[in-house]
Amino acid sequence: KAGVTQTPRYLIKTRGQQVTLSCSPISGHRSVSWYQQTPGQGLQFLFEYFSETQRNKGNFPGRFSGRQFSNSRSEMNVSTLELGDSALYLCASSLETGQGGEAFFGQGTRLTVV
Amino acid sequence: AQKVTQAQTEISVVEKEDVTLDCVYETRDTTYYLFWYKQPPSGELVFLIRRNSFDEQNEISGRYSWNFQKSTSSFNFTITASQVVDSAVYFCALSGGGSARQLTFGSGTQLTVLP
Repeated sequence: KAGVTQTPRYLIKTRGQQVTLSCSPISGHRSVSWYQQTPGQGLQFLFEYFSETQRNKGNFPGRFSGRQFSNSRSEMNVSTLELGDSALYLCASSLETGQGGEAFFGQGTRLTVV
Repeated sequence: AQKVTQAQTEISVVEKEDVTLDCVYETRDTTYYLFWYKQPPSGELVFLIRRNSFDEQNEISGRYSWNFQKSTSSFNFTITASQVVDSAVYFCALSGGGSARQLTFGSGTQLTVLP
Protein backbone atom coordinates (compact mmCIF):
# COMPACT_ATOMS: atom_id res chain seq x y z
CA LYS A 1 0.00 0.00 0.00
CA ALA A 2 1.57 3.29 -1.08
CA GLY A 3 2.10 5.93 1.57
CA VAL A 4 1.54 9.64 1.41
CA THR A 5 3.43 11.13 -1.52
CA GLN A 6 4.56 14.73 -1.58
CA THR A 7 6.09 16.43 -4.57
CA PRO A 8 8.49 17.97 -5.10
CA ARG A 9 10.82 16.92 -2.27
CA TYR A 10 12.97 20.03 -2.56
CA LEU A 11 12.28 23.46 -3.95
CA ILE A 12 14.20 26.71 -4.13
CA LYS A 13 12.26 29.87 -4.87
CA THR A 14 12.98 33.56 -4.92
CA ARG A 15 11.32 36.03 -2.57
CA GLY A 16 8.11 37.36 -4.13
CA GLN A 17 7.43 34.28 -6.23
CA GLN A 18 4.64 31.82 -5.62
CA VAL A 19 4.82 28.07 -5.14
CA THR A 20 2.49 25.09 -5.33
CA LEU A 21 3.10 21.90 -3.38
CA SER A 22 1.31 18.64 -4.03
CA CYS A 23 0.16 15.82 -1.78
CA SER A 24 -1.31 12.45 -2.76
CA PRO A 25 -2.90 10.74 0.24
CA ILE A 26 -3.08 7.05 0.94
CA SER A 27 -5.70 5.41 -1.23
CA GLY A 28 -9.10 5.67 0.42
CA HIS A 29 -8.14 8.49 2.77
CA ARG A 30 -10.29 11.56 2.34
CA SER A 31 -8.84 13.82 5.03
CA VAL A 32 -5.67 15.71 4.15
CA SER A 33 -3.91 18.12 6.51
CA TRP A 34 -0.92 20.38 5.98
CA TYR A 35 1.71 21.42 8.51
CA GLN A 36 4.66 23.79 8.43
CA GLN A 37 7.81 22.86 10.32
CA THR A 38 10.47 25.44 11.10
CA PRO A 39 13.30 25.43 13.67
CA GLY A 40 11.83 28.48 15.39
CA GLN A 41 8.11 27.73 15.44
CA GLY A 42 8.13 23.94 15.31
CA LEU A 43 5.24 22.07 13.74
CA GLN A 44 2.26 24.27 13.03
CA PHE A 45 -1.09 23.34 11.54
CA LEU A 46 -1.94 25.07 8.26
CA PHE A 47 -5.28 23.62 7.16
CA GLU A 48 -7.30 20.47 6.72
CA TYR A 49 -9.43 19.33 3.82
CA PHE A 50 -12.09 16.68 3.74
CA SER A 51 -14.13 15.82 0.65
CA GLU A 52 -12.88 18.92 -1.17
CA THR A 53 -13.91 21.24 1.68
CA GLN A 54 -11.61 23.13 4.00
CA ARG A 55 -12.73 22.19 7.50
CA ASN A 56 -10.19 24.01 9.59
CA LYS A 57 -7.48 26.59 9.13
CA GLY A 58 -4.53 27.50 11.29
CA ASN A 59 -3.23 30.94 12.10
CA PHE A 60 -1.46 31.75 8.84
CA PRO A 61 -1.84 34.73 6.52
CA GLY A 62 -4.03 34.59 3.44
CA ARG A 63 -0.96 34.04 1.28
CA PHE A 64 -1.26 30.41 2.29
CA SER A 65 -4.08 28.61 0.55
CA GLY A 66 -5.00 25.12 -0.45
CA ARG A 67 -7.47 22.95 -2.22
CA GLN A 68 -8.48 19.35 -2.53
CA PHE A 69 -9.57 17.55 -5.64
CA SER A 70 -12.25 14.91 -6.08
CA ASN A 71 -9.61 12.16 -5.95
CA SER A 72 -8.52 13.52 -2.52
CA ARG A 73 -5.19 14.81 -3.82
CA SER A 74 -4.40 18.17 -2.31
CA GLU A 75 -2.31 21.16 -3.23
CA MET A 76 -1.18 24.07 -1.14
CA ASN A 77 -0.12 27.39 -2.58
CA VAL A 78 1.98 30.13 -1.07
CA SER A 79 1.97 33.45 -2.87
CA THR A 80 4.40 36.36 -2.55
CA LEU A 81 7.00 34.21 -0.84
CA GLU A 82 8.93 35.63 2.10
CA LEU A 83 12.24 34.43 3.53
CA GLY A 84 10.36 33.23 6.61
CA ASP A 85 8.35 30.79 4.51
CA SER A 86 11.43 28.59 4.24
CA ALA A 87 10.35 25.40 5.97
CA LEU A 88 9.54 21.73 5.69
CA TYR A 89 5.93 21.38 4.61
CA LEU A 90 4.34 18.14 5.69
CA CYS A 91 1.13 16.62 4.46
CA ALA A 92 -0.85 14.02 6.41
CA SER A 93 -3.76 11.85 5.39
CA SER A 94 -6.30 10.11 7.59
CA LEU A 95 -8.99 7.54 7.06
CA GLU A 96 -11.24 8.55 9.90
CA THR A 97 -13.05 11.83 9.88
CA GLY A 98 -12.90 12.55 13.60
CA GLN A 99 -10.11 13.60 15.90
CA GLY A 100 -8.81 10.25 16.95
CA GLY A 101 -7.65 8.65 13.76
CA GLU A 102 -4.04 8.09 12.92
CA ALA A 103 -2.51 10.68 10.65
CA PHE A 104 0.01 9.29 8.19
CA PHE A 105 2.63 11.78 7.08
CA GLY A 106 4.58 12.14 3.88
CA GLN A 107 8.30 12.91 3.73
CA GLY A 108 7.58 16.55 3.17
CA THR A 109 8.63 19.25 0.74
CA ARG A 110 11.57 21.33 1.85
CA LEU A 111 11.08 24.86 0.57
CA THR A 112 13.94 27.33 0.58
CA VAL A 113 13.20 30.96 -0.21
CA VAL A 114 16.21 33.05 -1.23
CA ALA B 1 -6.42 26.78 23.62
CA GLN B 2 -4.46 23.56 23.50
CA LYS B 3 -0.82 23.29 24.41
CA VAL B 4 1.78 20.52 24.52
CA THR B 5 5.03 20.93 26.40
CA GLN B 6 8.09 18.76 25.92
CA ALA B 7 10.56 20.25 28.33
CA GLN B 8 13.47 18.04 27.26
CA THR B 9 15.03 19.55 24.16
CA GLU B 10 17.84 17.02 23.80
CA ILE B 11 18.66 13.74 25.50
CA SER B 12 21.75 11.61 24.99
CA VAL B 13 22.01 8.07 26.30
CA VAL B 14 24.31 5.16 25.76
CA GLU B 15 22.94 2.14 23.97
CA LYS B 16 20.95 -0.27 26.19
CA GLU B 17 20.03 2.43 28.66
CA ASP B 18 16.36 3.13 29.35
CA VAL B 19 15.11 6.62 28.52
CA THR B 20 11.86 8.45 29.28
CA LEU B 21 10.55 11.33 27.18
CA ASP B 22 8.20 13.66 29.01
CA CYS B 23 5.03 15.24 27.63
CA VAL B 24 2.63 17.55 29.46
CA TYR B 25 -0.52 18.83 27.81
CA GLU B 26 -3.22 21.42 28.37
CA THR B 27 -6.74 21.28 26.99
CA ARG B 28 -10.25 22.26 27.99
CA ASP B 29 -11.81 19.46 25.95
CA THR B 30 -13.22 16.50 27.81
CA THR B 31 -12.64 14.25 24.82
CA TYR B 32 -9.20 14.43 23.30
CA TYR B 33 -6.50 12.26 21.80
CA LEU B 34 -2.79 12.08 22.48
CA PHE B 35 -0.17 10.86 20.05
CA TRP B 36 3.52 10.20 19.84
CA TYR B 37 5.40 10.53 16.54
CA LYS B 38 9.00 9.81 15.62
CA GLN B 39 10.82 11.93 13.05
CA PRO B 40 13.99 10.34 11.65
CA PRO B 41 16.41 12.42 9.56
CA SER B 42 14.47 11.56 6.41
CA GLY B 43 11.74 13.92 7.59
CA GLU B 44 8.48 12.04 7.68
CA LEU B 45 6.62 11.72 10.94
CA VAL B 46 6.13 8.09 11.91
CA PHE B 47 3.08 7.32 14.03
CA LEU B 48 3.89 5.43 17.25
CA ILE B 49 0.78 5.47 19.44
CA ARG B 50 -2.64 7.04 20.00
CA ARG B 51 -4.51 7.35 23.29
CA ASN B 52 -7.96 8.79 23.94
CA SER B 53 -8.81 10.71 27.07
CA PHE B 54 -10.98 7.93 28.47
CA ASP B 55 -8.32 5.26 28.34
CA GLU B 56 -5.69 5.64 31.02
CA GLN B 57 -4.30 2.15 30.67
CA ASN B 58 -0.59 2.07 30.17
CA GLU B 59 0.58 0.40 27.02
CA ILE B 60 3.63 -1.61 26.13
CA SER B 61 4.72 -2.41 22.61
CA GLY B 62 8.01 -4.22 22.46
CA ARG B 63 10.66 -1.89 23.88
CA TYR B 64 8.23 1.04 23.93
CA SER B 65 5.83 1.88 26.75
CA TRP B 66 3.56 4.80 27.48
CA ASN B 67 2.29 6.17 30.78
CA PHE B 68 -0.87 8.30 30.52
CA GLN B 69 -1.94 10.13 33.69
CA LYS B 70 -4.88 12.52 33.45
CA SER B 71 -4.34 13.71 37.02
CA THR B 72 -1.03 15.28 36.01
CA SER B 73 -1.92 15.85 32.31
CA SER B 74 1.07 13.83 31.26
CA PHE B 75 1.69 11.25 28.57
CA ASN B 76 5.24 10.01 28.95
CA PHE B 77 7.09 7.65 26.63
CA THR B 78 9.75 5.18 27.71
CA ILE B 79 12.17 3.30 25.50
CA THR B 80 13.70 0.28 27.21
CA ALA B 81 17.15 -0.93 26.21
CA SER B 82 17.64 1.87 23.71
CA GLN B 83 19.30 1.24 20.37
CA VAL B 84 21.19 3.48 17.98
CA VAL B 85 18.26 3.22 15.53
CA ASP B 86 16.05 4.94 18.10
CA SER B 87 17.94 8.18 17.50
CA ALA B 88 15.40 10.65 16.16
CA VAL B 89 13.24 13.58 17.16
CA TYR B 90 10.15 12.51 19.08
CA PHE B 91 7.00 14.60 19.12
CA CYS B 92 4.02 14.44 21.43
CA ALA B 93 0.77 15.76 19.93
CA LEU B 94 -2.79 16.50 21.01
CA SER B 95 -6.09 16.76 19.15
CA GLY B 96 -9.59 17.33 20.37
CA GLY B 97 -12.84 19.17 19.98
CA GLY B 98 -14.91 19.31 16.82
CA SER B 99 -14.85 17.14 13.78
CA ALA B 100 -11.88 18.63 12.00
CA ARG B 101 -8.45 17.16 12.42
CA GLN B 102 -5.83 19.45 13.90
CA LEU B 103 -2.81 18.23 15.79
CA THR B 104 -1.08 20.49 18.27
CA PHE B 105 2.53 19.38 18.57
CA GLY B 106 5.08 19.82 21.29
CA SER B 107 8.48 21.23 20.38
CA GLY B 108 10.01 17.78 20.18
CA THR B 109 12.83 15.95 21.96
CA GLN B 110 15.99 15.08 20.07
CA LEU B 111 17.09 11.66 21.29
CA THR B 112 20.61 10.54 20.52
CA VAL B 113 21.60 6.99 21.37
CA LEU B 114 25.34 6.52 21.40
CA PRO B 115 26.94 3.16 20.64
